[in-house]
Amino acid sequence: GESVGLHLPTLSVQEGDNSIINCAYSNSASDYFIWYKQESGKGPQFIIDIRSNMDKRQGQRVTVLLNKTVKHLSLQIAATQPGDSAVYFCAEILNQGGKLIFGQGTELSVKP
Amino acid sequence: EAGVAQSPRYKIIEKRQSVAFWCNPISGHATLYWYQQILGQGPKLLIQFQNNGVVDDSQLPKDRFSAERLKGVDSTLKIQPAKLEDSAVYLCASSTGNSGNTIYFGEGSWLTVV
Repeated sequence: GESVGLHLPTLSVQEGDNSIINCAYSNSASDYFIWYKQESGKGPQFIIDIRSNMDKRQGQRVTVLLNKTVKHLSLQIAATQPGDSAVYFCAEILNQGGKLIFGQGTELSVKP
Repeated sequence: EAGVAQSPRYKIIEKRQSVAFWCNPISGHATLYWYQQILGQGPKLLIQFQNNGVVDDSQLPKDRFSAERLKGVDSTLKIQPAKLEDSAVYLCASSTGNSGNTIYFGEGSWLTVV
């Protein structure tokens, strides 16, 4: 069944602050994790990914942290901007056949 | 590079009618996925193709849903007959099929069943 979930359904931050979106997963066999951003009326957009043999990966203004001990994934967005307002999903790929499983999603709202 | 193309973007049908959605993946992508996303939830995998073969259709309601990818390129998802609970966004995605390669999504086909 579905195994990826999020701690908080909504997150509101002030423009310029840093945002942290959390995700818990339950399948220790997953070896690849992805964060997607979904704006209203659009399909999920790839943000950043991380393999299970890593614990941190940085992109432009975004950092993903992976803690395999507690099966926890987080997305950090630096200097959050109004354009970051969207629903963020974590997803995991099981290491057999590339099946991508999504979590529930966190809605990020950025206040100007 | 062209993205994943889907059509139609929006469709309204009455219950018990049929509907078909079309998807053209990114060129060269061997793996194609159909997801169902109900409002407020994460996408749920319906079916996964590798070229023209089905890899996973365990969550496809086969009594009413069908999908094909006959030539291993574009794909069609059909619902017949539709139910009210089928109202959702149907997302198509594709990837090269290699483990760890990015999965790209289309903009989705929005279905409302009334």
